[in-house]
Amino acid sequence: EDQVTQSPEALRLQEGESSSLNCSYTVSGLRGLFWYRQDPGKGPEFLFTLYSAGEEKEKERLKATLTKKESFLHITAPKPEDSATYLCAGINAGNNRKLIWGLGTSLAVNP
Amino acid sequence: DAGVIQSPRHEVTEMGQEVTLRCKPISGHDYLFWYRQTMMRGLELLIYFNNNVPIDDSGMPEDRFSAKMPNASFSTLKIQPSEPRDSAVYFCASSGAGLWETQYFGPGTRLLVL
Repeated sequence: EDQVTQSPEALRLQEGESSSLNCSYTVSGLRGLFWYRQDPGKGPEFLFTLYSAGEEKEKERLKATLTKKESFLHITAPKPEDSATYLCAGINAGNNRKLIWGLGTSLAVNP
Repeated sequence: DAGVIQSPRHEVTEMGQEVTLRCKPISGHDYLFWYRQTMMRGLELLIYFNNNVPIDDSGMPEDRFSAKMPNASFSTLKIQPSEPRDSAVYFCASSGAGLWETQYFGPGTRLLVL
């Protein structure tokens, strides 16, 4: 069964303390790996899509990478405004519309 | 673009009552998705439409749930009768027609069934 697992469930960082969030997947024929950010009381906001192992994408302090088994969201010198829940989701070749979601990592960045 | 619009933003109702959630997708998007989010189960896809036609409703929990899309700019998710275990945040999302297109989410409707 296709599955996406995120770790850790929660992470607390000091401002400026870099770290990484993990998204491991067992998705047959993975065609895309999506990262979203969700703020409290809001809908998920799209960040990145990665399509193949070795691909990397960056946006401000965030960089997403993809291997054949997992994806990482690296956060460099985070700020308090980076506090949010980060969700990843995979999509397989069998159904290009149904995302397989992880439960998310709740990130808190203290000033 | 205004993004995906959902209403109401909050709904409190009593067990047994009918609940109707509404969604307006992004103009030009061909796909519309309804999700439910809870702490325990995360985001669950309930149903999705392509060009107003339901494609996959395998995630709809039971017959109490129904969804319609009468035109390209409007969809409803109805729960009748509602139960306390339906309490959750319900999201609508839409996407374009290309393969593996990004889904864009609305702000959600927070439903509490007492």
